[in-house]
Amino acid sequence: EAGVVQSPRYKIIEKKQPVAFWCNPISGHNTLYWYLQNLGQGPELLIRYENEEAVDDSQLPKDRFSAERLKGVDSTLKIQPAELGDSAVYLCASSLKQAGELFFGEGSRLTVL
Amino acid sequence: AQSVTQLDSQVPVFEEAPVELRCNYSSSVSVYLFWYVQYPNQGLQLLLKYLSGSTLVESINGFEAEFNKSQTSFHLRKPSVHISDTAEYFCAVSDSGSARQLTFGSGTQLTVLP
Repeated sequence: EAGVVQSPRYKIIEKKQPVAFWCNPISGHNTLYWYLQNLGQGPELLIRYENEEAVDDSQLPKDRFSAERLKGVDSTLKIQPAELGDSAVYLCASSLKQAGELFFGEGSRLTVL
Repeated sequence: AQSVTQLDSQVPVFEEAPVELRCNYSSSVSVYLFWYVQYPNQGLQLLLKYLSGSTLVESINGFEAEFNKSQTSFHLRKPSVHISDTAEYFCAVSDSGSARQLTFGSGTQLTVLP
């Protein structure tokens, strides 16, 4: 069974440029998460989807970040425009609706110059 | 809201020695507790979890953790570590009524020395 797939693995951009990350969760997992992981820190939740509905986006900086999960399967996280402080690893995870375990992708490492 | 404190940011230990990685949590409600491991340039993998029942939980590769409600702790232990255990370890907590909202600690880098 395929795990959570993320792309790209690495992205280097200049500040003020846009960037997008893609995530395909494990088949059948209703819940999808985007986490931000700064260097030396634990992951912090950005947004959580139940199917196609964003049920917790309180930590998503909505002035520059946006996310979508149009058909309740894969998801895209976008930053526009990127700032130097956005350099981090963006992790996607998925879980079954009532389970306690999250399955993580390998992450997308963003470097903003 | 919950919070997690991992008291040690780095733990160096010699191969075959025992290790304990400390985790304390704060919550006003019943919780689920997790340990995740992250190898370099990889995503997080679940190591073990406490949901209910026995307070001592074990992983398949020799780690164990004990839920101590009175001390609000969930320390991770292994009696004899291997070089391959070198990784970042994250403790996490969720509200048992909403198991999908995980809060992570800041992580402990375990480095096993030959």
